[in-house]
Amino acid sequence: RKEVEQDPGPFNVPEGATVAFNCTYSNSASQSFFWYRQDCRKEPKLLMSVYSSGNEDGRFTAQLNRASQYISLLIRDSKLSDSATYLCVVNIRGSTLGRLYFGRGTQLTVWP
Amino acid sequence: DTEVTQTPKHLVMGMTNKKSLKCEQHMGHRAMYWYKQKAKKPPELMFVYSYEKLSINESVPSRFSPECPNSSLLNLHLHALQPEDSALYLCASSQEPGAYSNQPQHFGDGTRLSIL
Repeated sequence: RKEVEQDPGPFNVPEGATVAFNCTYSNSASQSFFWYRQDCRKEPKLLMSVYSSGNEDGRFTAQLNRASQYISLLIRDSKLSDSATYLCVVNIRGSTLGRLYFGRGTQLTVWP
Repeated sequence: DTEVTQTPKHLVMGMTNKKSLKCEQHMGHRAMYWYKQKAKKPPELMFVYSYEKLSINESVPSRFSPECPNSSLLNLHLHALQPEDSALYLCASSQEPGAYSNQPQHFGDGTRLSIL
């Protein structure tokens, strides 16, 4: 079983829509959680860290449910520029130094 | 703008060539990483340097040879690569090694490598 599982999509939504991505992780010792976005042929860029109490950054809201080992990302009022692949990333406590575990990514296309 | 700088942006080389990829960060980060990414796949970890020492080698073939000359620089020396090594090579850094810190990794914009 993969350490991090994501629905690969693709998600195709109109501008202004609300879209949610889910991610599950298998190791309960997982320590820190992130959402990255990656545009086609570009590097991954940190979108937001995910905190236990949930956190919001503008139109983006991230939630963590440790009991269910589940992370979500909600995007409100989608923009064309939100089109990208969204990577769920987990760091596992006690893992070998610096080891991040990546989901396979969820592809989002926002259409006008 | 990325704070992790990689050069070159693109590289085409033959299977007998020797080349090097370079990565630089001036954020004072003490952990640096090399990843390989194929199309439509997530990045795959290759090497981790922690405080300028190699701490992880993910069973990478010896035709890839990393080097960390100082805390700001990371090189990846390439020799006798195969066509299947064509990929995007990403460098990343983080404030501390991941096992000790909740800090995220910051990626450079990558070197797109093509092996002929």
